[in-house]
Amino acid sequence: AQSVTQLGSHVSVSEGALVLLRCNYSSSVPPYLFWYVQYPNQGLQLLLKYTTGATLVKGINGFEAEFKKSETSFHLTKPSAHMSDAAEYFCAVSDGSNYQLIWGAGTKLIIKP
Amino acid sequence: DVKVTQSSRYLVKRTGEKVFLECVQDMDHENMFWYRQDPGLGLRLIYFSYDVKMKEKGDIPEGYSVSREKKERFSLILESASTNQTSMYLCASRGTDYNEQFFGPGTRLTVL
Repeated sequence: AQSVTQLGSHVSVSEGALVLLRCNYSSSVPPYLFWYVQYPNQGLQLLLKYTTGATLVKGINGFEAEFKKSETSFHLTKPSAHMSDAAEYFCAVSDGSNYQLIWGAGTKLIIKP
Repeated sequence: DVKVTQSSRYLVKRTGEKVFLECVQDMDHENMFWYRQDPGLGLRLIYFSYDVKMKEKGDIPEGYSVSREKKERFSLILESASTNQTSMYLCASRGTDYNEQFFGPGTRLTVL
């Protein structure tokens, strides 16, 4: 069965520092991978996705993620954190065999001034 | 752009009331989902629908039912609301590409 693990329920970084949010997955077939962002009291918004092709994926707001098959990882990064990046981030995976996404538990990103 | 709307952003109900949460999408998507979100538990799937009048239970269907009479509308029903159903409820529809889901703004339900 597929599963998604996000390391750290809370991650705190200083404004201007590197953001690294970790996501590891288990899947028996090449997966589709997603990162979503949720701002306070809002729904989820797609940040980026990996389907096929280039393993480094660029998304909105300066975020990017790299699919590493050998490490079964899809970590999210941003070179320089901004106060507006404070939100909860969710990693999700699908193997395409059904309609559903398997969700990680989420990581709340805190930006220190 | 895909738009998913939910009938209320905030809702306060009393224990035992019947509660309807409505979700509408404008992209002719076949699949729609209801999740609840609680701190530390992430998103948990309540029900999903893969076509009109078709539904399947998700991970936590107890205490909930759903209705999908038209393709664009997917309703979540709490037959008799209880305090442990106080939560954020998120509706989503699935696009045609790679299972990407599009979310509504959420309904924060409080049951007193």
